[in-house]
Amino acid sequence: EVQLVESGGGLVQSGGSLRLSCTVSGFPLSSHSMNWVRQAPGKGLEWISYISVSSSTIYVDSVKGRFTISRDNAKNSLYLQMNSLRAEDTAVYYCARVSGGDRTRFDPWGQGTLVTVSS
Amino acid sequence: QSVLTQPPSASGTPGQRVTISCSGSSSNIGSNPVNWYQQLPGTAPKILIYSNNQRPSGVPDRFSGSKSGTSASLAISGLQSEDEADYYCAAWDDSLNGGVFGTGTKVTVL
Repeated sequence: EVQLVESGGGLVQSGGSLRLSCTVSGFPLSSHSMNWVRQAPGKGLEWISYISVSSSTIYVDSVKGRFTISRDNAKNSLYLQMNSLRAEDTAVYYCARVSGGDRTRFDPWGQGTLVTVSS
Repeated sequence: QSVLTQPPSASGTPGQRVTISCSGSSSNIGSNPVNWYQQLPGTAPKILIYSNNQRPSGVPDRFSGSKSGTSASLAISGLQSEDEADYYCAAWDDSLNGGVFGTGTKVTVL
């Protein structure tokens, strides 16, 4: 069974750092591009970052220079290093696998991990 | 901010047909495939439609998608109570060089 499990969320002060992990099983991480998507409380979905199988990366403007996406295929893990956190980064963070050649065909998703940034 | 525009809400009685629109531009919907996601209350999103009109295995054929120019639509025919959820469209945006989601539509079964 294909599964994605996020971890690493929690409460952090404004300006602090946090590293999220996404551990995958049921498929080889090395064969798929991956994404991080977040959802602020009561709000809609926001795509924030993409990493290709060759580890090229893309970010939404609001996190550029603060967040870093990376992958360790040997550990079947995807990461999101988040620095200089702001109150507006408070959200549930989901990792999602890219299925097929379409970079926004997210299938499946993890269950999400909550990040709360206190000001 | 969301680049793709959806109506905030839609509703219908059981058995009715409901349609949700997703309006974009030439840099996203106009030049890339559209995907639709269903998010049931308190759960992670799940893919419902990919490549404009393809259903993953396990998705009932009551759900269908279409695309024309810079707009896309999701239709739910034979609405059921378990279809109460939030629905989002998504596409890649070549100008922004990133993924973009719709504003989301909450479907209520009356």
